Amino acid sequence: DAGVTQSPTHLIKTRGQQVTLRCSPKSGHDTVSWYQQALGQEPQFIFQYYEEEERQRGNFPDRFSGHQFPNYSSELNVNALLLGDSALYLCASSLVAGALAGGQETQYFGPGTRLLVL
Amino acid sequence: AQRVTQPEKLLSVFKGAPVELKCNYSYSGSPELFWYVQYSRQRLQLLLRHISRESIKGFTADLNKGETSFHLKKPFAQEEDSAMYYCALRPGNEKLTFGTGTRLTIIP
Repeated sequence: DAGVTQSPTHLIKTRGQQVTLRCSPKSGHDTVSWYQQALGQEPQFIFQYYEEEERQRGNFPDRFSGHQFPNYSSELNVNALLLGDSALYLCASSLVAGALAGGQETQYFGPGTRLLVL
Repeated sequence: AQRVTQPEKLLSVFKGAPVELKCNYSYSGSPELFWYVQYSRQRLQLLLRHISRESIKGFTADLNKGETSFHLKKPFAQEEDSAMYYCALRPGNEKLTFGTGTRLTIIP
């Protein structure tokens, strides 16, 4: 099991451009959460996808959008990039179905995609 | 709204000495609490969750609802414990809220 994987590992964009980041969850997981971690800061929750729908959202503008595919993988899209969007973007996967059945919904993180906006 | 406070941004401890990383939270209900660790150039990984009451790599953490704390402890620090430690809270079935983190450095 490769665990949570993310692509690309690094990305450089310019202001105003759009970017798409990708995440494949850990085998058997059905939920994907995205976090933004600015340099020297803690991760901040962006949103979570379950059953191909956005289930929760943090305090991020509509420029941040996402998608979950039937195979549970997910994309994070950011439009009209700003310098302040430069950060490490983390994907975490978990098994909600397990939590609903009385299990534990522990989130496992990917290595992240480092985005630099110039 | 929920909040997690880690008062120490930096903590240096001698090898073999006890370690305690502080974490306080504010939440009106019964949250789930976690400790995540980020070693240099590695991904964020789960260290402990309060619901399991387990010891991982010699670390333990006890949830104190009266003091709303979830401090991380280890009796004898090892050099490989040097890392960034984040305390995180999840109220019910919602998002993880992280503290600002404590960078632990073990002095040989």
